[in-house]
Amino acid sequence: GIQVEQSPPDLILQEGANSTLRCNFSDSVNNLQWFHQNPWGQLINLFYIPSGTKQNGRLSATTVATERYSLLYISSSQTTDSGVYFCAVERRGGADGLTFGKGTHLIIQP
Amino acid sequence: DSGVTQTPKHLITATGQRVTLRCSPRSGDLSVYWYQQSLDQGLQFLIQYYNGEERAKGNILERFSAQQFPDLHSELNLSSLELGDSALYFCASSVRTSGVQNEQFFGPGTRLTVL
Repeated sequence: GIQVEQSPPDLILQEGANSTLRCNFSDSVNNLQWFHQNPWGQLINLFYIPSGTKQNGRLSATTVATERYSLLYISSSQTTDSGVYFCAVERRGGADGLTFGKGTHLIIQP
Repeated sequence: DSGVTQTPKHLITATGQRVTLRCSPRSGDLSVYWYQQSLDQGLQFLIQYYNGEERAKGNILERFSAQQFPDLHSELNLSSLELGDSALYFCASSVRTSGVQNEQFFGPGTRLTVL
């Protein structure tokens, strides 16, 4: 099946810092989604971005499908940004749900 | 709020028992997916239903089964429970079966603890 690798696995930053999270995938995809899992376990949709660039407030994402990677940018971090960020993909031509990476655990310190 | 609802929020049971988890998809969504999140396996896809029919199977154990009803809600049945089945179980829904423009939206999850 398709492989999804996220880096870094852990990241500790001070409030106000910027960060870049990376997601590499091993095959062509129909769909790519970024999620934030908050401390209560909820998976919150951040971006649906199989290709191109999107922005939503302090967050933005870019997917370069031809090179099989996606980046999530968080600017001016706040403590509420803490949690685990997951990248998940649906393989092109596949009908096997989303394949998730292991996530990046982000801690924003005040 | 994603619009996907799951009940119950928490479930504590004993080994060997059987439980049923319930999911209602977002209004208008025809696909329902079940995922399991555990410490050792991470988040993994279990099974998908589309408009009442099974469409895809992932790493779902034979002790587990699911169905989708005419009103599109879905149930995941877990039987002969083992300690290792303790996990967070998510339901997600989307408009289509697969392909482009098929964003999945996740419910709040059911946390299952097997003692």
